[in-house]
Amino acid sequence: EAQVTQNPRYLITVTGKKLTVTCSQNMNHEYMSWYRQDPGLGLRQIYYSMNVEVTDKGDVPEGYKVSRKEKRNFPLILESPSPNQTSLYFCASSLGSGGQETQYFGPGTRLLVL
Amino acid sequence: GENVEQHPSTLSVQEGDSAVIKCTYSDSASNYFPWYKQELGKRPQLIIDIRSNVGEKKDQRIAVTLNKTAKHFSLHITETQPEDSDVYFCAASPMYSGGGADGLTFGKGTHLIIQP
Repeated sequence: EAQVTQNPRYLITVTGKKLTVTCSQNMNHEYMSWYRQDPGLGLRQIYYSMNVEVTDKGDVPEGYKVSRKEKRNFPLILESPSPNQTSLYFCASSLGSGGQETQYFGPGTRLLVL
Repeated sequence: GENVEQHPSTLSVQEGDSAVIKCTYSDSASNYFPWYKQELGKRPQLIIDIRSNVGEKKDQRIAVTLNKTAKHFSLHITETQPEDSDVYFCAASPMYSGGGADGLTFGKGTHLIIQP
């Protein structure tokens, strides 16, 4: 089944404790992206990747890191999480390098930083 | 970067009536405009998209129109049904002359409520 998976789905952590949210897709998509969703603010892009080893900042990259060592995986790293990073996070992927094709979203990861 | 404004934030219509959600964008290089629907707590899913080389696209009860001159695009849902009640997001993606795209910028969303 073609899908985007994220892990963990729910996470409660404390300020400053490094964490990684994994994202994997099995559709051989070139483009992958991370978004955060906050009430009243919609979906805001954190980072995106056009292909392996090619990543770029989105609208809200501060406090986040990403890597794209393999085509299928695009982990989101919070080196030192803070309470303002409490949010619902979505990973997405699409065919084509420009992100201008249908984006398929993962199920989301709810993060609470205390 | 791109800025997308979406209105209204909440829209309540009677079942069977039409609903229209409007978005404006700022970057004239934007040429791809998708619409996503999201159930509460679930992932967004694409319902329709349009590219800048067309002015309108229809898919059954859903249509999207694009006015590049005015930099606005709209989602039209006809004969609304209770299952249309969800949050709808518009988005825009610019493609620059070098061939690089800059990802999707989303509007803040419209909560569509279909009154029975």
